[in-house]
Amino acid sequence: EVQLLESGGGLVQPGGSLRLSCAASGFTFSSYAMNWVRQAPGKGLEWVSGLSGSGGTTYYADSVKGRFTISRDNSKKTMYLQMNSLRVEDTAVYYCAKVGGNSGYDHLDYWGQGTLVTVSS
Amino acid sequence: SYVLTQPPSVSVAPGKTARITCGGNNIGSKSVHWYRQTAGRAPVLVMFYDGDRPSGIPERFSGSNSGNTATLTISRVEAGDEADYYCQVWDSSSDHRVFGTGTKVTVL
Repeated sequence: EVQLLESGGGLVQPGGSLRLSCAASGFTFSSYAMNWVRQAPGKGLEWVSGLSGSGGTTYYADSVKGRFTISRDNSKKTMYLQMNSLRVEDTAVYYCAKVGGNSGYDHLDYWGQGTLVTVSS
Repeated sequence: SYVLTQPPSVSVAPGKTARITCGGNNIGSKSVHWYRQTAGRAPVLVMFYDGDRPSGIPERFSGSNSGNTATLTISRVEAGDEADYYCQVWDSSSDHRVFGTGTKVTVL
């Protein structure tokens, strides 16, 4: 059974940093691209970032490029999102999600339960 | 940047058919995926590659995509189908994953 478990969320002041983790199990982690998707309170889904199975190719939404860094450790079956220079508008539930197909562009077939990041003074 | 537009809400009586549209420039040339989300829960994939259903999704769910509009159709709607539904594509011109604005389906 595929499981994705996010951790690392919490309350942080504007300008601060936070690192999210996504621990995966139930599939060959290194074979699949992974993504981060966020949802601000009462709002829709917003794609944040994605990376290939090897971690060699990364993609970022314009809203986070230059501030967030996505990475993965395939030996630990874990993906990360390092978030720096956080802004109030980064407040959201952050979901990690597994890409379903062989391409990094494919659908997201499994999602974690999400971790809440609150940026506030 | 590529924009996907969905109606904010769709209301449907039990047993009837709900059609949720997703509009985008020449969306018919892209693969469209659909997700369902209930309050406080993570999204769940309900349709991929325009019209393929993941295991566990009832045959009542179907999808189509042509021209500038993709459509998720829910036949014989049940109370349990109440949720927010999002369409999604990959925009190759920007290398961005794009979600639609979301549609809240209400079962009357």
